Amino acid sequence: GAVVSQHPSRVICKSGTSVKIECRSLDFQATTMFWYRQFPKQSLMLMATSNEGSKATYEQGVEKDKFLINHASLTLSTLTVTSAHPEDSSFYICSAEEGPDTEAFFGQGTRLTVV
Amino acid sequence: AQSVSQHNHHVILSEAASLELGCNYSYGGTVNLFWYVQYPGQHLQLLLKYFSGDPLVKGIKGFEAEFIKSKFSFNLRKPSVQWRDTSDYFCAVEPNFGNEKLTFGTGTRLTIIP
Repeated sequence: GAVVSQHPSRVICKSGTSVKIECRSLDFQATTMFWYRQFPKQSLMLMATSNEGSKATYEQGVEKDKFLINHASLTLSTLTVTSAHPEDSSFYICSAEEGPDTEAFFGQGTRLTVV
Repeated sequence: AQSVSQHNHHVILSEAASLELGCNYSYGGTVNLFWYVQYPGQHLQLLLKYFSGDPLVKGIKGFEAEFIKSKFSFNLRKPSVQWRDTSDYFCAVEPNFGNEKLTFGTGTRLTIIP
């Protein structure tokens, strides 16, 4: 199947700093990418949907100024957690799909720890 | 909005036992249904999906699931589990058209005892 690569897989940062997470589709062009957050023993919660070349659509309750999403090309989307705080510590997962009604492929996730 | 319930949070079975993981969803329209597996340290991997047609869907690794519309259920089954099936399993649903967002259940951790 198609491959989606997320980088980094783990990151530890100090409170108040910003962290960028990359999501790349390696062998297909992803018109849509999704960003999820997963708390321990909980479900994946959709944070935002991004379409290449346009602004991301954020889910209710997700601060768009805190979680900046950029989808500048068909193979790359980035999530930047700005001014991170310990409560932002979580597992962040991206997925990408080539088009409507196509299978979504998931990255391996990024474990963010804010100290 | 749609929601997904996975009532079994942790299931422990012996090898060769039969498996059934429950998944129920709530949504007023037609849906597409998915089961994903997440091995430790790895990405979510699609096991199987149902879009339409035969409600009994066969997937990879010997898994199958049955869509029972009247019960809003999409339970995952495997007749004989193996140790390597130890993992986290997620059921997910997306509306059939329009808002194509996946909504996930809370997941079931499956532990297979050799």
